[in-house]
Amino acid sequence: AQKITQTQPGMFVQEKEAVTLDCTYDTSDPSYGLFWYKQPSSGEMIFLIYQGSYDQQNATEGRYSLNFQKARKSANLVISASQLGDSAMYFCASRGVGNEKLTFGTGTRLTIIP
Amino acid sequence: GAVVSQHPSRVICKSGTSVKIECRSLDFQATTMFWYRQFPKQSLMLMATSNEGSKATYEQGVEKDKFLINHASLTLSTLTVTSAHPEDSSFYICSARGGLAGVTDTQYFGPGTRLTVL
Repeated sequence: AQKITQTQPGMFVQEKEAVTLDCTYDTSDPSYGLFWYKQPSSGEMIFLIYQGSYDQQNATEGRYSLNFQKARKSANLVISASQLGDSAMYFCASRGVGNEKLTFGTGTRLTIIP
Repeated sequence: GAVVSQHPSRVICKSGTSVKIECRSLDFQATTMFWYRQFPKQSLMLMATSNEGSKATYEQGVEKDKFLINHASLTLSTLTVTSAHPEDSSFYICSARGGLAGVTDTQYFGPGTRLTVL
């Protein structure tokens, strides 16, 4: 079974600053994947970044990077040089090997202040 | 990334009618499709998982006779809300996943359908 915890219901960040969104996970699977999605007010879920549990390096995708600390079971999303368009809900999710389902956290609402 | 479309984006219907929502993977073959429901300011709740050509697997508490899912091809899945009632009003999102089952396969989501039952 998988469990995702996002402890920040909301965050306000000044434009151009970096922001870290917290995510911790709990799993008994030996192999698993971690995902981050962005959901703007329009409702669509946009895939941002993926980290595999056996990946040696932290995943990066443009301004997004994943700070993966396996021993701490954390997979924080870091957004560098935040922009107004980054304002949205952000969901962390995980999936174990052989499991088709994604388990989502409760999300963090990020608001970028001009 | 891969593109998943959903139609309609918004629907308003009278209580007692049935509503069909389509989910299509536009540039890849989706071996598995998922249907979620999302209430305001809450996370996504998985309703069911469907594989092409087989019956959907419903999550506990989801009425399979009320939420009919058909995954007729590798690019199309439909969700039919039968005899809709106001409590069925919600945001419904589909997602699709291609390739073999594995932790690396990304799920891509459709833009969602907002259903309002009067």
